[in-house]
Amino acid sequence: GAVVSQHPSWVICKSGTSVKIECRSLDFQATTMFWYRQFPKQSLMLMATSNEGSKATYEQGVEKDKFLINHASLTLSTLTVTSAHPEDSSFYICSPTSGGVVKEADTQYFGPGTRLTVL
Amino acid sequence: AQKITQTQPGMFVQEKEAVTLDCTYDTSDQSYGLFWYKQPSSGEMIFLIYQGSYDEQNATEGRYSLNFQKARKSANLVISASQLGDSAMYFCAMRDSGAGSYQLTFGKGTKLSVIP
Repeated sequence: GAVVSQHPSWVICKSGTSVKIECRSLDFQATTMFWYRQFPKQSLMLMATSNEGSKATYEQGVEKDKFLINHASLTLSTLTVTSAHPEDSSFYICSPTSGGVVKEADTQYFGPGTRLTVL
Repeated sequence: AQKITQTQPGMFVQEKEAVTLDCTYDTSDQSYGLFWYKQPSSGEMIFLIYQGSYDEQNATEGRYSLNFQKARKSANLVISASQLGDSAMYFCAMRDSGAGSYQLTFGKGTKLSVIP
């Protein structure tokens, strides 16, 4: 399977600070990046979709000014949680895909996730 | 309406026995893909198996098989010869064109516990 890395794997921060999460696809070019959030004992919820070099498309209810996504290269995407609050504590997972348009059959691989705890 | 429904929040299975995890889906597309992922306590999402809507045969990958019943819109995962390492959360997911970006939509998951 594809090799995807996320950094950091876990982070604890104070309320009001910003946290940047990096996602790298190590062995393929990620033209599309999906960012998911998973609260404890819940399923993955898509936050946003970004294509390399374009602005991200956010799902309903996700604040684009709070969750800044940058996808400036084919191997790196970042998610910045700005002015984090305790309710932002969650598990954030990136999922890069290659190819121009994701097809139904394309296997989707995931990063190992970043556990964010906001005090 | 939910696109992916997993009705079993938790399941127990004896080691070496087989277990079936249920998944039903809802889509109006003719072409779609169904996936199963395993999420151990570490959090990583591990791809297990894929079934395409046009595939006539049920998908198999080692100890994993997918019981695909298109008319019933069900895609149950069967794990044979359960091992202790199979204890994890299991998510059923679907990709169709409904959302426009071919994103995966996940079910709520089933927590499988394998008993020695």
